[in-house]
Amino acid sequence: EVQLVESGGGLVQPGRSLKLSCAASGFTFSNYYMAWVRQAPKKGLEWVATISTSGSRTYYPDSVKGRFTISRDNAKSSLYLQMNSLKSEDTATYYCARWAVEDYFDYWGQGVMVTVSS
Amino acid sequence: DIVMTQGALPNPVPSGESVSITCRSSKSLLYSDGKTYLNWYLQRPGQSPQLLIYWMSTRASGVSDRFSGSGSGTDFTLKISGVEAEDVGVYYCQQGLEFPLTFGSGTKLEIK
Repeated sequence: EVQLVESGGGLVQPGRSLKLSCAASGFTFSNYYMAWVRQAPKKGLEWVATISTSGSRTYYPDSVKGRFTISRDNAKSSLYLQMNSLKSEDTATYYCARWAVEDYFDYWGQGVMVTVSS
Repeated sequence: DIVMTQGALPNPVPSGESVSITCRSSKSLLYSDGKTYLNWYLQRPGQSPQLLIYWMSTRASGVSDRFSGSGSGTDFTLKISGVEAEDVGVYYCQQGLEFPLTFGSGTKLEIK
């Protein structure tokens, strides 16, 4: 059974940093692109980052480019999101998601809440 | 960036009725390989999103055949034949053609 379990969320002040983790199991992690998708309270879904199987290629929207860094450790079947210079508009539930080769998100974690507030 | 625009439903919808959710993209999602890179997800209340349809019309594994997807390169429809209580939630379309990946704003379904 595919499982994605996020951790590392919490309350953080504007301008500070936070690192999210996602532990994957039930599939060969190194064979899949992985991604982060977020959802602000009562809002829709927003793609945040994607990383290739080896980690050599990463992709971001302009809203987080230069502030967020996605990375992975295939030996540990783990995905990460380093978030720097956090803003109040980064407040959201962050989902770890598997990106299928056919170009869709086929599995999602339960999400982790990040609140940016002073 | 490709903008995804979703329509609304006349909520609440009577149980057993069929509904169509619309989605429009600002750029054709038909790729040279013949596939249309449009996906549909359902987010039930308090849950993570789940994949329903990919490549515009292919049902994901385990998804009821009451759900069907159709469309052209820029205009898409998710049809639910005979809505049930378990279909309640927000439906999102998403384009998988190019980065940045983008979602529609969501269409809420409520059942009467």
